[in-house]
Amino acid sequence: AQKVTQAQTEISVVEKEDVTLDCVYETRDTTYYLFWYKQPPSGELVFLIRRNSFDEQNEISGRYSWNFQKSTSSFNFTITASQVVDSAVYFCALSEDDNYGQNFVFGPGTRLSVLP
Amino acid sequence: DTAVSQTPKYLVTQMGNDKSIKCEQNLGHDTMYWYKQDSKKFLKIMFSYNNKELIINETVPNRFSPKSPDKAHLNLHINSLELGDSAVYFCASSQAGLGRGQETQYFGPGTRLLVL
Repeated sequence: AQKVTQAQTEISVVEKEDVTLDCVYETRDTTYYLFWYKQPPSGELVFLIRRNSFDEQNEISGRYSWNFQKSTSSFNFTITASQVVDSAVYFCALSEDDNYGQNFVFGPGTRLSVLP
Repeated sequence: DTAVSQTPKYLVTQMGNDKSIKCEQNLGHDTMYWYKQDSKKFLKIMFSYNNKELIINETVPNRFSPKSPDKAHLNLHINSLELGDSAVYFCASSQAGLGRGQETQYFGPGTRLLVL
């Protein structure tokens, strides 16, 4: 069975600090997909990134970067120079290569508070 | 234009009532989902439909019945509401044209259900 762990329940940082959100996953599949979603205080779920298991290249998008390490089954998310608007709950999710995304499993989420 | 929309946004009702939540997507996606997010923010899939056909039915009480009149709509009907049904319900959709887990799921804004 697949599983996603986000060990950090809550993180507080001061604006402009860098922060890394950890995600560790378990799967028996060799082909799988990893996602990050953001849930701001307004409640919607915003898609941030998708990576497949064959692409370990790290990705940077503005202040956001993702570090995918198959060897440690981790897909960590770093926010550089954090801003108050980054305050949200961040979910890591895993989907195995099966039909219709039925194994789309979310981690428990990490609540990030960025203080001014 | 909202890609995935849900109505109502808030729903407050008494125990024992029957209620429906509507979901529509204008992304042309083939697969739609319902998720439940509890008070601790855990997101768990409830149902998945592909082209109006039920694909996933997780361990959900049979008081919950999804209905898909067409592939752009997936409504959730709940009979005999109970206190424990209070949660945020998210609708999502994905292309999943080939039935693969790689497809990103896009979420609606959520419906906050409170059962009194």
